[in-house]
Amino acid sequence: AQSVTQPDIHITVSEGASLELRCNYSYGATPYLFWYVQSPGQGLQLLLKYFSGDTLVQGIKGFEAEFKRSQSSFNLRKPSVHWSDAAEYFCAVAPDPGANNLFFGTGTRLTVIP
Amino acid sequence: NAGVTQTPKFQVLKTGQSMTLQCAQDMNHNSMYWYRQDPGMGLRLIYYSASEGTTDKGEVPNGYNVSRLNKREFSLRLESAAPSQTSVYFCASQGTWSRTDTQYFGPGTRLTVL
Repeated sequence: AQSVTQPDIHITVSEGASLELRCNYSYGATPYLFWYVQSPGQGLQLLLKYFSGDTLVQGIKGFEAEFKRSQSSFNLRKPSVHWSDAAEYFCAVAPDPGANNLFFGTGTRLTVIP
Repeated sequence: NAGVTQTPKFQVLKTGQSMTLQCAQDMNHNSMYWYRQDPGMGLRLIYYSASEGTTDKGEVPNGYNVSRLNKREFSLRLESAAPSQTSVYFCASQGTWSRTDTQYFGPGTRLTVL
């Protein structure tokens, strides 16, 4: 079945530490890939997106993500986490050419400890 | 420029009651979407409107109806609310019907059905 998997429900990191959030997808064709962030009580905000080309994409707030076709993964990274990064992070996929329905993973909640 | 606005922010209904969730965007976007967010399930698409005058079912349309009132507004109606519809509802808009475009989300409506 087609799916977007975020295997980590909750991650806790210390402020200043590096971060990697995992995302795997199982759509056959090369999908378009997105990472969104949701702060408490807020809507979702786009961090970055990948369509084609360079497999390492830069986003806002110092985040980057790497697309690995062989692993069907699109992991989100940040070299040094700030307390304000505490939020929920969603990976999303737009799998069908010509359509733009997003399919979301179940999210990873990030806690940052001082 | 308010972006995507949703009303109300919170609502409590009794089983069988009806209500309409309102969504408006001021970005002159063509496409609009309604999602629901449930714990552990990420966001799921209820209905979408690729352009003014068109609406289509998403992943979980049962129990809902939508109206694309004009280019700015896209409402979601629950005709006979059920406890299973307790959720957080997000509206989103997008400039064009294209996978490359970005979806912008409203702040959400938290609905409880007793």
